[in-house]
Amino acid sequence: QKEVEQNSGPLSVPEGAIASLNCTYSDRVSQSFFWYRQYSGKSPELIMSIYSNGDKEDGRFTAQLNKASQYVSLLIRDSQPSDSATYLCAVKPTDSSYKLIFGSGTRLLVRP
Amino acid sequence: DADVTQTPRNRITKTGKRIMLECSQTKGHDRMYWYRQDPGLGLRLIYYSFDVKDINKGEISDGYSVSRQAQAKFSLSLESAIPNQTALYFCATSDGGRDEQYFGPGTRLTVT
Repeated sequence: QKEVEQNSGPLSVPEGAIASLNCTYSDRVSQSFFWYRQYSGKSPELIMSIYSNGDKEDGRFTAQLNKASQYVSLLIRDSQPSDSATYLCAVKPTDSSYKLIFGSGTRLLVRP
Repeated sequence: DADVTQTPRNRITKTGKRIMLECSQTKGHDRMYWYRQDPGLGLRLIYYSFDVKDINKGEISDGYSVSRQAQAKFSLSLESAIPNQTALYFCATSDGGRDEQYFGPGTRLTVT
């Protein structure tokens, strides 16, 4: 089992819809969770971090964390074609003071 | 100006050649990382450094070496390049007190 799993997609949604991206992780005591956006050929860009169970909202983005079920999700409201990218989930295992474990990413396509 | 810069941005080299990739940052972060990204495999950690005198191997360090010349500079060397080292290479930084990592623009390396 991979430590951080994401559906590779592509997830295709129409413009204006809510895009829901999911990530599961294997280390049940992980404490720090991150979402990065990566456009094709570009570097990952940090868009959200979440540390506590529940929701965290930042503009059109909402991160949701459920530690009991070991998943973290990212909702993108009012999706725009410019949101089309690969979204990487990253988790910091508690046995490490430095390391982030990255999922392989979910490709999102927002159709105009 | 970008906070994290990488040079070169693109490089084509031949098997057996030595090559150095350079990373500089103006974020004032103490921790620096080198990752490689391959399609379907996500981001994998090659080396990381907590400060100038603290350098550690990541999960895929074989065939690579690093040098931390200053707090702001971290270089990655391929001693004798081989074709399966063809990948996208990213430098990242973080502040020791926080877990978020910030990525440079990347170097696309092709070994023929």
